[in-house]
Amino acid sequence: AQSVTQLDSQVPVFEEAPVELRCNYSSSVSVYLFWYVQYPNQGLQLLLKYLSGSTLVKGINGFEAEFNKSQTSFHLRKPSVHISDTAEYFCAVSDLRNTDKLIFGTGTRLQVFP
Amino acid sequence: NAGVTQTPKFQVLKTGQSMTLQCAQDMNHEYMSWYRQDPGMGLRLIHYSVGAGITDQGEVPNGYNVSRSTTEDFPLRLLSAAPSQTSVYFCASSYSDRGNYEQYFGPGTRLTVT
Repeated sequence: AQSVTQLDSQVPVFEEAPVELRCNYSSSVSVYLFWYVQYPNQGLQLLLKYLSGSTLVKGINGFEAEFNKSQTSFHLRKPSVHISDTAEYFCAVSDLRNTDKLIFGTGTRLQVFP
Repeated sequence: NAGVTQTPKFQVLKTGQSMTLQCAQDMNHEYMSWYRQDPGMGLRLIHYSVGAGITDQGEVPNGYNVSRSTTEDFPLRLLSAAPSQTSVYFCASSYSDRGNYEQYFGPGTRLTVT
């Protein structure tokens, strides 16, 4: 079974500052990793995913994440945030044998202040 | 394409009432699923389907029924609503085993059980 831990429930940051949202996972098998974003009163949309290959993955809106197998982490970063990045961010994993069943973390609320 | 649609957007039920949350997708996706989102708990999988006529239980299936008679529709039924089912419900769909692994989410249904 897999599990996902998002270490920070809330991250406040000023506009144009860098940000890192942390995600650690636990699994006895290889996994695929995802970050989804949820803007206020909307459904979730895919930000980026790691399936294989380069451990640095680039996504939409200037976000990137790095897969670290030894530390079982998949932290999300952005070098300079905007007010419009205010949202809830979810890290998720899926088993390679059952890729449609996503296990989500509890979410990190990113609040960007002017 | 409308993507994934959910109705209603909001619903208030009394304890013991029944209702059906509707979900439809027009992307010809094989896989569909229902999640519930609760504060501090992320998204948890309720039921899922890998194709018409096939459904299975997720992490929190108790109190919910599903059926999949067509590729497009995947309704979620609450037979006897309880206050513990107060939540935001999201339907999602994806291609199964097409190498994409992105799930597409509907806008959600906010359910309150009094």
